[in-house]
Amino acid sequence: DAGVIQSPRHEVTEMGQEVTLRCKPISGHDYLFWYRQTMMRGLELLIYFNNNVPIDDSGMPEDRFSAKMPNASFSTLKIQPSEPRDSAVYFCASSLVSGGQNYGYTFGSGTRLTVV
Amino acid sequence: RKEVEQDPGPFNVPEGATVAFNCTYSNSASQSFFWYRQDCRKEPKLLMSVYSSGNEDGRFTAQLNRASQYISLLIRDSKLSDSATYLCVVTRSGYSTLTFGKGTMLLVSP
Repeated sequence: DAGVIQSPRHEVTEMGQEVTLRCKPISGHDYLFWYRQTMMRGLELLIYFNNNVPIDDSGMPEDRFSAKMPNASFSTLKIQPSEPRDSAVYFCASSLVSGGQNYGYTFGSGTRLTVV
Repeated sequence: RKEVEQDPGPFNVPEGATVAFNCTYSNSASQSFFWYRQDCRKEPKLLMSVYSSGNEDGRFTAQLNRASQYISLLIRDSKLSDSATYLCVVTRSGYSTLTFGKGTMLLVSP
């Protein structure tokens, strides 16, 4: 298995531009998560999906952030318009939850976003 | 109070030392516990799950104290390659989301 695949690995963009981050989860995993990591706040959950349906987006900082999962093998996180304070590493993770037991996440390599 | 709290470190230890990390969690409904490891500029990776009876994996020992809401990770005979940030993670039964501590940085020197 190729693991969780994220693209791009690095993104540098100007303030005000639209940014789209992409994620392909592990095949067979039924949960997908988007996290943001900064030195100050650590790993913060932004949104997660179960069977492609958004379950909790309370961590999405503002309306500038949106996420979709059109099918079981693909998800996007979009920031429009981007701001310098959005600079962070964005991780996608997927997991399998079975019988009420969470078996832990597998993370992608992350997208390092810099907004200038 | 944060849901998962860890000493940020860094812990600086020589090779061969034994080092222990502690973590406290605030939600008594927490049911599953993990330690993740994150190398510099890499993604977090599952190191080990933590079971009520305590568990060991080679040089690593994890323990859970539910009464005190406290989790620990012990690393024996530290190697240079153990240098990383160690993240304490909890989740509640039936919940699919993991809550991460901010991590404890370990630096092992020759």
